[in-house]
Amino acid sequence: ILNVEQSPQSLHVQEGDSTNFTCSFPSSNFYALHWYRWETAKSPEALFVMTLNGDEKKKGRISATLNTKEGYSYLYIKGSQPEDSATYLCAFIQGGSEKLVFGKGTKLTVNP
Amino acid sequence: DGGITQSPKYLFRKEGQNVTLSCEQNLNHDAMYWYRQDPGQGLRLIYYSQIVNDFQKGDIAEGYSVSREKKESFPLTVTSAQKNPTAFYLCASSTSRVGGNQPQHFGDGTRLSIL
Repeated sequence: ILNVEQSPQSLHVQEGDSTNFTCSFPSSNFYALHWYRWETAKSPEALFVMTLNGDEKKKGRISATLNTKEGYSYLYIKGSQPEDSATYLCAFIQGGSEKLVFGKGTKLTVNP
Repeated sequence: DGGITQSPKYLFRKEGQNVTLSCEQNLNHDAMYWYRQDPGQGLRLIYYSQIVNDFQKGDIAEGYSVSREKKESFPLTVTSAQKNPTAFYLCASSTSRVGGNQPQHFGDGTRLSIL
């Protein structure tokens, strides 16, 4: 069974702080890595789909990097705002598979 | 607006009863998925379908059944054989038939509880 680990499980930051969290996944037979943002009482929303080693993607104040050789991805949020409060999920898919494997998520709370 | 609609939002099941969760999408996506979320766990795949009239078991299919008679609809039935059905259920869809390199779009979920 594939294992996708996210750390930390939760964190609290102050408005304006920059923060980052990690997704670890198996480094063999990589196909793609997804990041989703899941706000309370809403549906998960796709942030990034990353497929190439060394990929860097950016969406506003949020960016992500990918290292497929060592099996990790970082998600960065610059200048956190209260509206960034959400659970951030990563999901991994191996080559030849049709199924995403999700981590348990990192719950971010941004205090005003 | 295009999207995925799940209904009902809350559902209660009596012991021994089958219940069906609805999932409809108007995104013209080929692939559809059902996930289950339990406290402290990641989303786990129950069933998925990449094309009409075809579907595959995910990691926790026991006690569930699905159908895919129309491209836009992928209902999930929680049968009486599912011994621990209390959970939050999410439906998703994506453009990719082979999966993986396209994002998934999610509904708002259905919370199922046992009376």
